[in-house]
Amino acid sequence: GAVVSQHPSWVICKSGTSVKIECRSLDFQATTMFWYRQFPKQSLMLMATSNEGSKATYEQGVEKDKFLINHASLTLSTLTVTSAHPEDSSFYICSAPRGIRLAEQFFGPGTRLTVL
Amino acid sequence: GESVGLHLPTLSVQEGDNSIINCAYSNSASDYFIWYKQESGKGPQFIIDIRSNMDKRQGQRVTVLLNKTVKHLSLQIAATQPGDSAVYFCAERPVLNAGGTSYGKLTFGQGTILTVHP
Repeated sequence: GAVVSQHPSWVICKSGTSVKIECRSLDFQATTMFWYRQFPKQSLMLMATSNEGSKATYEQGVEKDKFLINHASLTLSTLTVTSAHPEDSSFYICSAPRGIRLAEQFFGPGTRLTVL
Repeated sequence: GESVGLHLPTLSVQEGDNSIINCAYSNSASDYFIWYKQESGKGPQFIIDIRSNMDKRQGQRVTVLLNKTVKHLSLQIAATQPGDSAVYFCAERPVLNAGGTSYGKLTFGQGTILTVHP
């Protein structure tokens, strides 16, 4: 099956620094990728839709200047958490759909961000 | 709509029992539903899906039931095994809009923590 990877798998950073998370589709091209955030013992909440060659679309309540998304190629989307604070600590997961009508969706393994 | 972000309900079963996990979805216009399994520290894994023109679909040891009248989805796991212990999420997809941002977008349900005791 299709594989989506994320890097890094975990990161610890100091408050005020920026962190970049990569999401790659390894064996298929993805013009669209999705970024989710998941707090402990909670569900996945969609943050934004990453679109190759155009601006990302953010969900209501998600600050676009804080969570910068770049979809530089058909296999790579990056999420940069700028000026991270402890409340940004979370599990960040990306997904990439493919197939007819993008019905199949493949999830990355997630990135655990801890902001001290 | 967005998932509520409440703490997850739990279900504990004995190995070999059948498990039923329920989910209420929010959008009556959704046309596609998926169940995912998420193990600790990992991304969601696809289990089974169902389209809105069906009310039941079976896979290997799993069955999904869809009741559109009450907007309810359930996942039945037969002969539950310790390896089935995980968090289970349902997800819905609104009718695709080829020109809009909802293309492929999923909304996740609350989730249920399943614990299988040997």
